[in-house]
Amino acid sequence: NAGVTQTPKFQVLKTGQSMTLQCAQDMNHNSMYWYRQDPGMGLRLIYYSASEGTTDKGEVPNGYNVSRLNKREFSLRLESAAPSQTSVYFCASSYRLGGGGDTQYFGPGTRLTVL
Amino acid sequence: KQEVTQIPAALSVPEGENLVLNCSFTDSAIYNLQWFRQDPGKGLTSLLLIQSSQREQTSGRLNASLDKSSGRSTLYIAASQPGDSATYLCAAPTSGTYKYIFGTGTRLKVLA
Repeated sequence: NAGVTQTPKFQVLKTGQSMTLQCAQDMNHNSMYWYRQDPGMGLRLIYYSASEGTTDKGEVPNGYNVSRLNKREFSLRLESAAPSQTSVYFCASSYRLGGGGDTQYFGPGTRLTVL
Repeated sequence: KQEVTQIPAALSVPEGENLVLNCSFTDSAIYNLQWFRQDPGKGLTSLLLIQSSQREQTSGRLNASLDKSSGRSTLYIAASQPGDSATYLCAAPTSGTYKYIFGTGTRLKVLA
């Protein structure tokens, strides 16, 4: 049981390049999330997926796109990377979004630098 | 819009001390509130989730309380140990949603 896995762990991009961050969970969770963490700003929600086939914007969605490929996988795409997107990106999942909500389980993060 | 504040930003205590970390939020119409621990260079680990109908939740030496009317939650750590050194974050959702807003955390150092 690996929990939430993210690839890659580290990435350096040049301004304007594109890339996709991958996330997978093996806990049969319905909901998945993408956050970014910046010094002094805490974690901020980029996008989330309440269930397979649905996605919704979070607090800071500009410059990003997501795909909920299936129940296990939720990817984050940067189409044209900018230095402001330099951050640590975390994927998380939870069993459900409805009702009282559920504990979120986090991946180890991807450290992205955009030059 | 939900805002989450954590005070203090950093705390250093000797081993064995009981301590309280504070979290305040501006929008009290929340489904739940979560406390997390983050070790340097790592992801977040969930510590406690308090549903809106609960007043407190306990796990081992940790006890979290929730007072929606005053917009506050506290995390109590009993008999602190050097292994408790980490950053502690709380998260509350924006009213009527599951879009979580995180505080910037309290960086705790427990001295042996």
